[in-house]
Amino acid sequence: DAMVIQNPRYQVTQFGKPVTLSCSQTLNHNVMYWYQQKSSQAPKLLFHYYDKDFNNEADTPDNFQSRRPNTSFCFLDIRSPGLGDAAMYLCATSRVRGNTGELFFGEGSRLTVL
Amino acid sequence: AQSVTQLGSHVSVSEGALVLLRCNYSSSVPPYLFWYVQYPNQGLQLLLKYTTGATLVKGINGFEAEFKKSETSFHLTKPSAHMSDAAEYFCAVSSYGGSQGNLIFGKGTKLSVKP
Repeated sequence: DAMVIQNPRYQVTQFGKPVTLSCSQTLNHNVMYWYQQKSSQAPKLLFHYYDKDFNNEADTPDNFQSRRPNTSFCFLDIRSPGLGDAAMYLCATSRVRGNTGELFFGEGSRLTVL
Repeated sequence: AQSVTQLGSHVSVSEGALVLLRCNYSSSVPPYLFWYVQYPNQGLQLLLKYTTGATLVKGINGFEAEFKKSETSFHLTKPSAHMSDAAEYFCAVSSYGGSQGNLIFGKGTKLSVKP
């Protein structure tokens, strides 16, 4: 049973054309994360939501935004994608109560920028 | 501050051979340690984790890892490699009791398995 679902799995966009990636979860976890992973690199945290509280990493470009309209859904908006934004984008969740730090990942959305 | 170092960006073994992927961590507080596996074009899947208690932890697919505090290590092993083990493996550390579970990942080790 899929627990963290990302759509689309593959997204092709043109340079500068906005794109939105979505993530939904059935785990009822409080925390949702967006990671960027470039080829052969470790995932890099962009931001996370603790319930409705948005937490941006200091080095996340302004080009990246996020929305969390409810517990189950979280969106990643890239306002003007550049060639350097081509990457795999990973959504993850974690619980708060009894948390051991484990993250539950979706299968990722691979973004190609032409 | 916490950090993770994975020794060897690429490890190649023969099918049936021992798999050993090395991970050293740095943490000023008792750490929670994780190994994740990533298959091509997929997300990360938890292999195993150490939180407290027994220092030898067993995970899925026959993998295990041993937490050695004196060596600040959490190496991943599997006695006999299978072709399906070919993937990228990430070691990660989280601060003890961290309410938001922000993981610090190593740079990953790509495992190749030769027939």
